[in-house]
Amino acid sequence: AQTVTQSQPEMSVQEAETVTLSCTYDTSESDYYLFWYKQPPSRQMILVIRQEAYKQQNATENRFSVNFQKAAKSFSLKISDSQLGDAAMYFCAYFTSGTYKYIFGTGTRLKVLA
Amino acid sequence: EPEVTQTPSHQVTQMGQEVILRCVPISNHLYFYWYRQILGQKVEFLVSFYNNEISEKSEIFDDQFSVERPDGSNFTLKIRSTKLEDSAMYFCASTPGQVFRQPQHFGDGTRLSIL
Repeated sequence: AQTVTQSQPEMSVQEAETVTLSCTYDTSESDYYLFWYKQPPSRQMILVIRQEAYKQQNATENRFSVNFQKAAKSFSLKISDSQLGDAAMYFCAYFTSGTYKYIFGTGTRLKVLA
Repeated sequence: EPEVTQTPSHQVTQMGQEVILRCVPISNHLYFYWYRQILGQKVEFLVSFYNNEISEKSEIFDDQFSVERPDGSNFTLKIRSTKLEDSAMYFCASTPGQVFRQPQHFGDGTRLSIL
């Protein structure tokens, strides 16, 4: 079964510091995509970053970057220079071409301390 | 930038009543989805829809649920006889044709409260 695990229910980071959120997944597929979504208190789902499994290069989007370790099935999100607006729930999600749905992790609540 | 829009933002309904949640996907998108998020829990897939039929559905999507695209623009989720446990945030999402090469665009969600 395909599963996504986020082992950190909650993380805190000082403003301007760097934080890393962990995500592991289990799959037997070779072609898949991984995403991080941010859900602020307004409960919108906002795409932060995505990674194609066939790409070895780690994705980056401004202050957000991932550490994708395919053999270890690990997909962590690094937020640099954390800002108060980064405070939210962060969901890791897995998507494969063999199905038409995302599988989400349970989320990590990120608190940013001023 | 085009957006997926969902209405209403909050729906309050008596248990046993029918409810219809509405979504307007991005206009050139071909694949449509509903997800559910019970408060404090993860987002769960309900159903995907393509070419006017269901592509896949989860165990949650039982006979009480139905989806349709009545007029080529709206994509609706109907819950026929609501239960207390249907209280959740419901997200609509859509993707263009090359579904697995594009991220799903989510709407802002409809908060459904069953009394």
